[in-house]
Amino acid sequence: QVQLQESGPGLVKPSETLSLTCTVSGGSFNSYFWSWIRQPPGKGLDWIGYVYYSGSTNYNPSLQSRVTVSVDTSKNQFSLKLSSVTAADTAVYYCAGATKYCGGGNCSPGYFEYWGQGTLVTVSS
Amino acid sequence: EIVLTQSPDFQSVTPKEKVTITCRASQSIGSRLHWYQQKPDQSPKLLIKYASQSISGVPSRFSGSGSGTDFTLTINSLEAEDAATYYCHQSSSLRLMTFGQGTKVEIK
Repeated sequence: QVQLQESGPGLVKPSETLSLTCTVSGGSFNSYFWSWIRQPPGKGLDWIGYVYYSGSTNYNPSLQSRVTVSVDTSKNQFSLKLSSVTAADTAVYYCAGATKYCGGGNCSPGYFEYWGQGTLVTVSS
Repeated sequence: EIVLTQSPDFQSVTPKEKVTITCRASQSIGSRLHWYQQKPDQSPKLLIKYASQSISGVPSRFSGSGSGTDFTLTINSLEAEDAATYYCHQSSSLRLMTFGQGTKVEIK
């Protein structure tokens, strides 16, 4: 059974960089697209981006200029960095694993099979 | 961007009643539509994958149907533990994965 655990500061000052890490245990790290998803208080789910074990990434265009998702396969971890944060970035941040959907020689993310418990990050001075 | 629109936004239902939630995509996504259940202060949980495929461990009262642009999540004989917010999610767009806005189901 795959388990995911987010870690990182729960409070970030405006204009600074939000940094979170997700540690994956209990499964094949190479078998999933590792994603970050956030949920502002009382609102719905927003996909931020994903990284594959190879290092290839894809980001939500609305955040692309501020976001970096990276992977450390030696530690079975992947990380999120979101720069120049504002109060609008206050949210519960989830890490999640999406299965691979392969066809025509290419693979892309499918459904989110595994989720971390989520961590609340508040942007405030 | 593929926009997913769920209806209704909120539903108040009595136990044992049947619940139907719809998800409409702004363009055809084949069967690359998935459903999740999120209870308060919990992370989302996968209910249905690829529009209609069941998930091990999920009660059989949950089912999904549809393809193209119109999809449905059905909960047969609602139980008190099904009080939650339900989200659809599309993985068809390689550029941007999106979620519906959510449907909150309350037990009367």
